[in-house]
Amino acid sequence: AQSVAQPEDQVNVAEGNPLTVKCTYSVSGNPYLFWYVQYPNRGLQFLLKYITGDNLVKGSYGFEAEFNKSQTSFHLKKPSALVSDSALYFCAVRDMNYGQNFVFGPGTRLSVLP
Amino acid sequence: DAGVIQSPRHEVTEMGQEVTLRCKPISGHDYLFWYRQTMMRGLELLIYFNNNVPIDDSGMPEDRFSAKMPNASFSTLKIQPSEPRDSAVYFCASSLGTGVQPQHFGDGTRLSIL
Repeated sequence: AQSVAQPEDQVNVAEGNPLTVKCTYSVSGNPYLFWYVQYPNRGLQFLLKYITGDNLVKGSYGFEAEFNKSQTSFHLKKPSALVSDSALYFCAVRDMNYGQNFVFGPGTRLSVLP
Repeated sequence: DAGVIQSPRHEVTEMGQEVTLRCKPISGHDYLFWYRQTMMRGLELLIYFNNNVPIDDSGMPEDRFSAKMPNASFSTLKIQPSEPRDSAVYFCASSLGTGVQPQHFGDGTRLSIL
């Protein structure tokens, strides 16, 4: 079975500092990994994905994520946080052996403080 | 490009009433997903369709819930009769089945059952 864990409910970071939002996953086959962001009263917006190849994936709004197979992790990062990055972030996994179904993590609320 | 369109954005109704949520996926997308989001349970997949055919409805909570996709550009999620515990935000998402594509979400319907 597929599963995703986001060990932190809340991450606080000062504006201008680097941010990391953590994600670990469990799948039986090879994973496809995704990050989404949700702003208040909006749907989830796609940020980036990992399929194969380079372990460092770059996405929208300056975000990037690092895939680590040995640690089964896919942490989201940004070198310099903006107040406007404050939102709810979801990690998702799709097992290549299990069709189109995504499994989403519980979400991490990021607060960037001015 | 028009994204996934959901209607209504908000629905308030009394217990026992029938509720119908509507979704128009992105043109050309062949997968459609219905999710429910609550504070307690996070984001839950209810059902998904491929080429208008339901593929996995194991997440549908009970017989009061039903979903249809009569054509490639329209889907409904119906709750009859509604109960207060059905109060949640319901999201529709669509994706392309070729390759590994992200799901694109609508802005959701906030449902309140009194």
